[in-house]
Amino acid sequence: DAGVIQSPRHEVTEMGQEVTLRCKPISGHNSLFWYRQTMMRGLELLIYFNNNVPIDDSGMPEDRFSAKMPNASFSTLKIQPSEPRDSAVYFCASRATSGSNTGELFFGEGSRLTVL
Amino acid sequence: SQQGEEDPQALSIQEGENATMNCSYKTSINNLQWYRQNSGRGLVHLILIRSNEREKHSGRLRVTLDTSKKSSSLLITASRAADTASYFCATGAQGGSEKLVFGKGTKLTVNP
Repeated sequence: DAGVIQSPRHEVTEMGQEVTLRCKPISGHNSLFWYRQTMMRGLELLIYFNNNVPIDDSGMPEDRFSAKMPNASFSTLKIQPSEPRDSAVYFCASRATSGSNTGELFFGEGSRLTVL
Repeated sequence: SQQGEEDPQALSIQEGENATMNCSYKTSINNLQWYRQNSGRGLVHLILIRSNEREKHSGRLRVTLDTSKKSSSLLITASRAADTASYFCATGAQGGSEKLVFGKGTKLTVNP
């Protein structure tokens, strides 16, 4: 298996622009997570899905952030409009089973976002 | 907050030495996991220990868990330069939450 695939790996944009980050989870995995990593705050959970349904989006910082999972093999995280404080590395991770926190997370390589 | 906190924040050792990293957390958990992150890469799962376990081994890794002190340690024996990375603990709370909450990590440098 190719693992969790994220794109783009790097994105540089200007304040106010829309940013869309993409994720393809491991085939057959039921849960998908979006995390954000910064030096100051570490790894923060933004939102997660079970079987394509958003379960908990309490970590999404503002209404400017939205996430979708239209099918089992694709998810997007959108920031509109982007701000410099959104600069971070965004990780997508998938887990084989839902309903428990004991499973291993498989992470993508991340999307490094810089908002100027 | 449930977030784990690793200690030390940074650790520098010589190849062949052992490296010990600690994690403390605040709430009751049903499992604790350790992950590794190489610079510029995603996190990779190393080992999971359940709340009813006290010690677990995997190759050169040894993990202990003390639920009474709400702490865990990760020991890497006979370290290698390739072990240079950041190491994170992640906790899964009791009570049905599916979330894993990560600490800020320990940056380990193994000098050849």
